[in-house]
Amino acid sequence: AQSVTQLDSQVPVFEEAPVELRCNYSSSVSVYLFWYVQYPNQGLQLLLKYLSGSTLVKGINGFEAEFNKSQTSFHLRKPSVHISDTAEYFCAVSDWGYQKVTFGTGTKLQVIP
Amino acid sequence: EPEVTQTPSHQVTQMGQEVILRCVPISNHLYFYWYRQILGQKVEFLVSFYNNEISEKSEIFDDQFSVERPDGSNFTLKIRSTKLEDSAMYFCASSEVSRGGNTGELFFGEGSRLTVL
Repeated sequence: AQSVTQLDSQVPVFEEAPVELRCNYSSSVSVYLFWYVQYPNQGLQLLLKYLSGSTLVKGINGFEAEFNKSQTSFHLRKPSVHISDTAEYFCAVSDWGYQKVTFGTGTKLQVIP
Repeated sequence: EPEVTQTPSHQVTQMGQEVILRCVPISNHLYFYWYRQILGQKVEFLVSFYNNEISEKSEIFDDQFSVERPDGSNFTLKIRSTKLEDSAMYFCASSEVSRGGNTGELFFGEGSRLTVL
């Protein structure tokens, strides 16, 4: 079985400061990893994904994440956040060929002006 | 840009009533999903559907739930007799098939909020 742990339920950060949202996963096989963002009252939007290749993945809105197999982590980072980044961020994992994607519990990013 | 569309955006129903939530996945996608999110909680997998049959379902997806692809475009979730605890946002998603199979990258709709009174 696969699972995802997001260690922080809320992360407050000042505007223009860097941020890291943590994600750890467990799976018995090779995985695909994703970060999704959910703005208030909206659906989920893909930020970035790791399928294979380079372990540093760049996504939309200036976000990036690094896949670390030895630490089973896929932390999301942004060097300088904006007010518009205030949202909930979900880490997710899918096994190769698996029929479902498992989401973490989400991290609410609150950007403080 | 192609998108997943869901209707209705919000439905209020009485406990015990049947509800059908509708989704139009992205046209060339072959895998379809329903997820739900109870207010303030995590996004939970309900069911995946491929080749006109359920490929996987969670323990939440009991006999009260069913899915159907009645035509070439719609994908529906039916709740036969709604309970108070079914109140949630229901998200439809679809994904495409690459050379290696289903990559698991999901494209979500905006969601249908179900309120059971």
